[in-house]
Amino acid sequence: NAGVMQNPRHLVRRRGQEARLRCSPMKGHSHVYWYRQLPEEGLKFMVYLQKENIIDESGMPKERFSAEFPKEGPSILRIQQVVRGDSAAYFCASSPTLGLEETQYFGPGTRLLVL
Amino acid sequence: AQKITQTQPGMFVQEKEAVTLDCTYDTSDPSYGLFWYKQPSSGEMIFLIYQGSYDQQNATEGRYSLNFQKARKSANLVISASQLGDSAMYFCAMRVSGYALNFGKGTSLLVTP
Repeated sequence: NAGVMQNPRHLVRRRGQEARLRCSPMKGHSHVYWYRQLPEEGLKFMVYLQKENIIDESGMPKERFSAEFPKEGPSILRIQQVVRGDSAAYFCASSPTLGLEETQYFGPGTRLLVL
Repeated sequence: AQKITQTQPGMFVQEKEAVTLDCTYDTSDPSYGLFWYKQPSSGEMIFLIYQGSYDQQNATEGRYSLNFQKARKSANLVISASQLGDSAMYFCAMRVSGYALNFGKGTSLLVTP
């Protein structure tokens, strides 16, 4: 059973370009979460999605950031017009159900570097 | 507000010794879950152990155990018989409701021969 997959693992963008980060959840998992990790920090929640629905995007910046989880294909985190402050590791996690005790399984992350 | 505090930025332990990584939390909600994750230098986040607020016993998973002291709002991770491969960042996280995990800043553990 493959784990959560993310690609690319590393992404370099110049200021003003777009970054697209992909996440394929574990098989059988319909709940997807995105987190951001700044250097020397813990992970910060960004957004929670189910298939075709954004459930909670309270942790996502209001501008330039968007996320989707289409009926077919991976979840996408999109950052438009990137700035240097967007440089971080972006992690995707998935879970089969929702609940306090439900473990979220993380992908390997995408390291975004904005030049 | 929910908050997770890990006060030890870095820890050293000798191989085969036990080590305790501290985690305190703050929430007024009686129902919550506590998680520990390991992040080795390769960067992935690996789930280690879970403790529910209503669990009567401390959680254990192999060499990992969670010292849960509810009145003190602490959920310390104990690693027994440390191995060189345990060298990593360790994050404590809490979920109060819904889905978002709230992470601490982490503790860097170095296991020495």
